[in-house]
Amino acid sequence: AQKITQTQPGMFVQEKEAVTLDCTYDTSDPSYGLFWYKQPSSGEMIFLIYQGSYDQQNATEGRYSLNFQKARKSANLVISASQLGDSAMYFCAMREGYGGSQGNLIFGKGTKLSVKP
Amino acid sequence: EAGVAQSPRYKIIEKRQSVAFWCNPISGHATLYWYQQILGQGPKLLIQFQNNGVVDDSQLPKDRFSAERLKGVDSTLKIQPAKLEDSAVYLCASSLVPGGLGAYRHSPLHFGNGTRLTVT
Repeated sequence: AQKITQTQPGMFVQEKEAVTLDCTYDTSDPSYGLFWYKQPSSGEMIFLIYQGSYDQQNATEGRYSLNFQKARKSANLVISASQLGDSAMYFCAMREGYGGSQGNLIFGKGTKLSVKP
Repeated sequence: EAGVAQSPRYKIIEKRQSVAFWCNPISGHATLYWYQQILGQGPKLLIQFQNNGVVDDSQLPKDRFSAERLKGVDSTLKIQPAKLEDSAVYLCASSLVPGGLGAYRHSPLHFGNGTRLTVT
């Protein structure tokens, strides 16, 4: 069964520094996608970045990059040059390409990031 | 493009009452999802529609929850009767990919702002 694990309930980072949020996953499907979402205190889920299981290069989107290590089944999010507005919950999620669920997104429990001025 | 619209934003009801939530997905998105997010946890799928058909409702408590998407566009989620443990944020999401094996993995879900339900 597919599973997402985020082992860091909370993280602190100094403004302008980089931070890595950990995510490991488990799936038997060779075709899957990994996503990171940001959820500010206002509640909306904001899509940040995507990594496909067959992608050769790590995904990058502005200050966000994904450190994808397929053999270790890890997909860590790296935020560079942290800003105060980055303070939020961050969720790692996975979507399989095949199978009966037809694309349900499975979420981890999240990591609460706090950026200190 | 307009995002996923949800209403109401907040709702407070007493246990055993009923409540309904509404969602309008992004135009052209064939797939619609309802998720439940309990405080301190990640969202959990309740039901998934593709057009007006149910794809997955295996985690929907069918004795009290119901959902429909009659015309394949907007959707309503109903709880009747509500229990204290239903207090959560209910998130609606939509996705562009209408089908195609393997294609789902590429496509992110786009979420609405959610409805925060408090059952007292």
